Parts: sequence; structure tokens; C-alpha cells
Amino acid sequence: NAGVTQTPKFQVLKTGQSMTLQCAQDMNHNSMYWYRQDPGMGLRLIYYSASEGTTDKGEVPNGYNVSRLNKREFSLRLESAAPSQTSVYFCASSGGQGYTEAFFGQGTRLTVV
Amino acid sequence: GQQVMQIPQYQHVQEGEDFTTYCNSSTTLSNIQWYKQRPGGHPVFLIQLVKSGEVKKQKRLTFQFGEAKKNSSLHITATQTTDVGTYFCAGLSSGYALNFGKGTSLLVTP
Repeated sequence: NAGVTQTPKFQVLKTGQSMTLQCAQDMNHNSMYWYRQDPGMGLRLIYYSASEGTTDKGEVPNGYNVSRLNKREFSLRLESAAPSQTSVYFCASSGGQGYTEAFFGQGTRLTVV
Repeated sequence: GQQVMQIPQYQHVQEGEDFTTYCNSSTTLSNIQWYKQRPGGHPVFLIQLVKSGEVKKQKRLTFQFGEAKKNSSLHITATQTTDVGTYFCAGLSSGYALNFGKGTSLLVTP
């Protein structure tokens, strides 16, 4: 089982460029999440999807959009990248909306110059 | 919003010493989960606590959930170099997504 797969693993963007981070899980989980991790800040929730067809804002949603394409896939889009969005992005999934363990992808290291 | 505070931010121990990290919430939690992240890696689930006063053990790791369900701790007995990493607590008070603490980075020197 692949678990949670994120692409790409590394990306460098110029300020103002756009990109989409892809995430797919093969565990038939209902809930999926996007977090960003910055030094000393822990994991901060950007957006989450409690189930297919629904998305909700987390703690730091500004500058991002998401799409829950189907039960397997949850993408994160940066419309106009800014240096403040330089971070490591993690996608995660869980079966029970925070009541069961979350499985994380390997992360995407994004640098905006 | 819900705040999950974790202390200390960093801890440096000699191999064989004990280690404890503490997690405190401003609100009552439905559950709390603990994760470990190795350097350069991704968070990996360790355990979930649900009941008030619950204590769970995994080999040298002991996890506790406070009676008021607002705090938790992770204690490692006789640390080893394989324990190096960042330990996160994550709590669920309402809604559907976990809120993570900022983590405690543990460094173990032989």
C-alpha cells in the first residue's frame, strides 16, 4: 500500500507563479487535510475535507484554495505564490475526522523566490 | 480558536536519561494524539488517548491524559539515540480536524 502520496516532493516557484500540490490516498479514508510546517511553528492546518464534496478552512487558509476531486484526491492550489508561502506542505488522511490516526504523506518542500 | 501548547520546545539529553514533554489545551479535548517526526521525515502516529486520566504504555514510552482532559504528557524512560525527533501532540475539541502543538524537539547524544 502506498498510503498517502504527494507530488511533487520539491518545487521552486517565482513570486506570482501558481501551482497545484497533488495528494492521493488509497486507504478509502473520508477525511483529508493540508498542513504547512514552518520552523518553530509546528503543523498548521490550511484546509480540510471531512468527506467527499466538502471543504473547510483551517487556521491559515489565506492564499490557498483546495479541491476534493473525489474520495481519493485532495489538491492544494497556490494562485499567486508569495515568499511567505515557503514551507513544507503535508497532506494527511484519516478515517474518522480526527478520531482516528492520521496518515501523512512525505511532504512537499516549496520555496518561493 | 483552540490552542494546544507544548513545552519544552527543545530538549537535549544524554543517552539513558529520561525525557518528558507536556501538552496543554485551553479547552477540553475530545481526544489527544501523539506523533513523532524524525528529521527530514513526516509525522507518524504513536498513540491516541480518549478517556479522562488514561495512561498507556508503549515499551519505554508512557502517555497520560489529564483528569480534566486539558493536558497530556509523553515520558520516555532511558532515552536512546533512536528516540531523536520532534514529538507533537494533537488535540480535537470540536470540529473535524486535529490542532497540533508546536512540538518538542528531542536530541539524544551518546
